[in-house]
Amino acid sequence: EAGVAQSPRYKIIEKRQSVAFWCNPISGHATLYWYQQILGQGPKLLIQFQNNGVVDDSQLPKDRFSAERLKGVDSTLKIQPAKLEDSAVYLCASSLGLQGGYEQYFGPGTRLTVT
Amino acid sequence: GQNIDQPTEMTATEGAIVQINCTYQTSGFNGLFWYQQHAGEAPTFLSYNVLDGLEEKGRFSSFLSRSKGYSYLLLKELQMKDSASYLCAVILRQAGTALIFGKGTTLSVSS
Repeated sequence: EAGVAQSPRYKIIEKRQSVAFWCNPISGHATLYWYQQILGQGPKLLIQFQNNGVVDDSQLPKDRFSAERLKGVDSTLKIQPAKLEDSAVYLCASSLGLQGGYEQYFGPGTRLTVT
Repeated sequence: GQNIDQPTEMTATEGAIVQINCTYQTSGFNGLFWYQQHAGEAPTFLSYNVLDGLEEKGRFSSFLSRSKGYSYLLLKELQMKDSASYLCAVILRQAGTALIFGKGTTLSVSS
């Protein structure tokens, strides 16, 4: 079974530039999550989708971050414009959701460096 | 607010046993996860506890006491490859299925 795929793996941009990350969850997983992990800390939820609807985006800085999940499969996370404090690893995870268990499977992450 | 505490760092030697503690103060507790994360890699699932008691899985065991807001991860017969960060995370009823993570415990295993 293929795992969660993310691209790119690494990205370096200057502050005020834009960047987008892509995630392809495990086939059949209804729930998709984006987490931000700053060095030395645990992951922090940014947004959660159930199919193509948003369940929780309370911690997403909506003035600069946006995310979508078209057709309830792939998802993109965008930052525009980036700030220095956005330097982090952006992890995508998926799960079967409430009907199939809480275990989340994580992708390899995108390491973003903002200079 | 929600609070999850773990020690920042621990060290141990090969073959030993180590216990990593996690305490939490949350409302709407609905389960606790332990994940392992090697440097530069994604977190991988180790265990899930929702009821009080001990869950054993090979060299790893996890314990939960809901009344005390306390969990621990027990690693036996430590190997060098167990050097990693161990993340404690909780699920809350009001938060759907999203995880709230602690800061993680970095375990260093030496020979």
